[in-house]
Amino acid sequence: QVQLQESGPGLVNPSQTLSLTCTVSGGSISSGAYYWSWIRQPPGKGLEWIGYIYYSGSTYYNPSLKSRLTISVDTSKNLFSLKLSSVTAADTAVYYCARGPNKWYFDLWGRGTLVTVSS
Amino acid sequence: SYELTQPPSVSVSPGQTARITCSGDALPDQYAYWYQQKPGQAPVLVIYKDSERPSGIPERFSGSSSGTTVTLTIRGVQAEDEADYYCQSADSSGTYVVFGGGTKLTVL
Repeated sequence: QVQLQESGPGLVNPSQTLSLTCTVSGGSISSGAYYWSWIRQPPGKGLEWIGYIYYSGSTYYNPSLKSRLTISVDTSKNLFSLKLSSVTAADTAVYYCARGPNKWYFDLWGRGTLVTVSS
Repeated sequence: SYELTQPPSVSVSPGQTARITCSGDALPDQYAYWYQQKPGQAPVLVIYKDSERPSGIPERFSGSSSGTTVTLTIRGVQAEDEADYYCQSADSSGTYVVFGGGTKLTVL
């Protein structure tokens, strides 16, 4: 079955760029059947949608993060990526990648990866 | 910015019915979705499009909608249902995704 796996550094220095990758296995991003999203959850807090990308490369970002955010897709490697610049401690969170049958919900999630912003 | 409001906590005894509400001005225009999250785990979709249940989700989970409020109902609550539950929807223009603050369901 389809699985999503997040990967990337677990520790990022303040003011630097947070970079994560979500590798999709068991299915093809290029099928066009789904949207691919990033969602985060600060420790002990609720969920925050970050943004999504379609296989064609079209994106939509959370307006609160838009100025610092880039989401990209590599269909040849069947993965999509997140870059968040100028991070602060407020960006410390578990970051999840997720699949959506449309733009507005998520039927499959990765296990998540904790990213801590600290010097 | 658009917000969805949930009660922070709900408590029920095993076998009883739990109801978790979620309020938002755009809910008459946008579908709601519900996720269950257990400690240390990723969220799991339990209800989509207000009241549809994904395959593999027990029949005791159901969803309903009335005006600006949607409700997740769990009938015959079991100990394994103890978790955080999040509602989710979109803003009125369908542009961006919003999550509620989450409700901790405690099974007494």
